[in-house]
Amino acid sequence: EDQVTQSPEALRLQEGESSSLNCSYTVSGLRGLFWYRQDPGKGPEFLFTLYSAGEEKEKERLKATLTKKESFLHITAPKPEDSATYLCAVPPSTGTASKLTFGTGTRLQVTL
Amino acid sequence: NAGVTQTPKFQVLKTGQSMTLQCAQDMNHEYMSWYRQDPGMGLRLIHYSVGAGITDQGEVPNGYNVSRSTTEDFPLRLLSAAPSQTSVYFCASSLAGGREETQYFGPGTRLLVL
Repeated sequence: EDQVTQSPEALRLQEGESSSLNCSYTVSGLRGLFWYRQDPGKGPEFLFTLYSAGEEKEKERLKATLTKKESFLHITAPKPEDSATYLCAVPPSTGTASKLTFGTGTRLQVTL
Repeated sequence: NAGVTQTPKFQVLKTGQSMTLQCAQDMNHEYMSWYRQDPGMGLRLIHYSVGAGITDQGEVPNGYNVSRSTTEDFPLRLLSAAPSQTSVYFCASSLAGGREETQYFGPGTRLLVL
């Protein structure tokens, strides 16, 4: 059974204080790993897809990296508008990638 | 493009009532899915569809029905609502095949069953 575990559950940072969020996964054959951002009362918003170990992707202050067992979402010099819940998810090793398994998320709060 | 739209935004039901949550997308995506999100549980797949006329069960399908008569619409039906179905429901869609299977989510429907 595919599993995704995210840590920490919650993270509070001061503006400018860089940190990383972790997503550990167990899947028999990784076809990709997705990162989403979710604001309160909204649907998840797509950030990145990583397909193979060693791959990195960046968007503004966010950089996602992937190893064979986990992915990290690095947040550099965060701003209050980066406050959100960050979700990661993996598709099954076979069949449609529509069947995503999600982690429970990391709730990030960035204060002034 | 409106993307993925869901109606209603919020609904209160009594136990035993039925209702349909609507989901539509205008991106010509073949794949559509329904998830529920509960505190501490993450998003869990209820049902999904890989094209018009084709649906299948996800992780938590009991108490829900779906059908897909058009590419654009994928309604979720609660036949007899139960308090355990109190949740936030998200619809998602994606292109089919290859690496272009990123799912795009709607804004959600918050359901309270009393």
